[in-house]
Amino acid sequence: DAGVTQSPTHLIKTRGQQVTLRCSPKSGHDTVSWYQQALGQGPQFIFQYYEEEERQRGNFPDRFSGHQFPNYSSELNVNALLLGDSALYLCASSLGYSNQPQHFGDGTRLSIL
Amino acid sequence: QQQVKQSPQSLIVQKGGISIINCAYENTAFDYFPWYQQFPGKGPALLIAIRPDVSEKKEGRFTISFNKSAKQFSLHIMDSQPGDSATYFCAASTGTASKLTFGTGTRLQVTL
Repeated sequence: DAGVTQSPTHLIKTRGQQVTLRCSPKSGHDTVSWYQQALGQGPQFIFQYYEEEERQRGNFPDRFSGHQFPNYSSELNVNALLLGDSALYLCASSLGYSNQPQHFGDGTRLSIL
Repeated sequence: QQQVKQSPQSLIVQKGGISIINCAYENTAFDYFPWYQQFPGKGPALLIAIRPDVSEKKEGRFTISFNKSAKQFSLHIMDSQPGDSATYFCAASTGTASKLTFGTGTRLQVTL
């Protein structure tokens, strides 16, 4: 039973560039949430996708956007990268609005030079 | 009102001892309180979770104590082991699958 998988594991970009991160949810899950975890901090909620629509959004600028595909996988896009966007980006999946908990992937480490 | 405050920031416990991590929340709409364990280079892994209708939940060496009136909850790790050395995060949400609001984390080191 595959868990949440994220790609790539590491990525280096420069300021002003754009990046796309990918997430495949745990088998049987249909809801994907994205979190940003700065070094030494707790994860911060970016947004959540369910039925291919953004359902909830945290306090992140419009530079952060996402997409969910019919197979429930998801992408996180960040435009006009800033040094402060350097972080571990985590994807979590769950089953709709059930009572089952969210399961996290191991994240993508994004470094901005 | 969305904050979850966690303490201590770091904790050193001897093998066999009890590790205690505390969290406090403000939003009374929160109804799901999980604890996550994170090892370096890995994503958070769910350890144990509680809902406000019970005051305590125990799973193996891990226990959550919940005080609804004080809006506080804590994680107790009994018989702490070196393999428990990790960063622990408390979190809260309205609903299990809803967005999680995390604490700032506690780095636990269990010494021999």
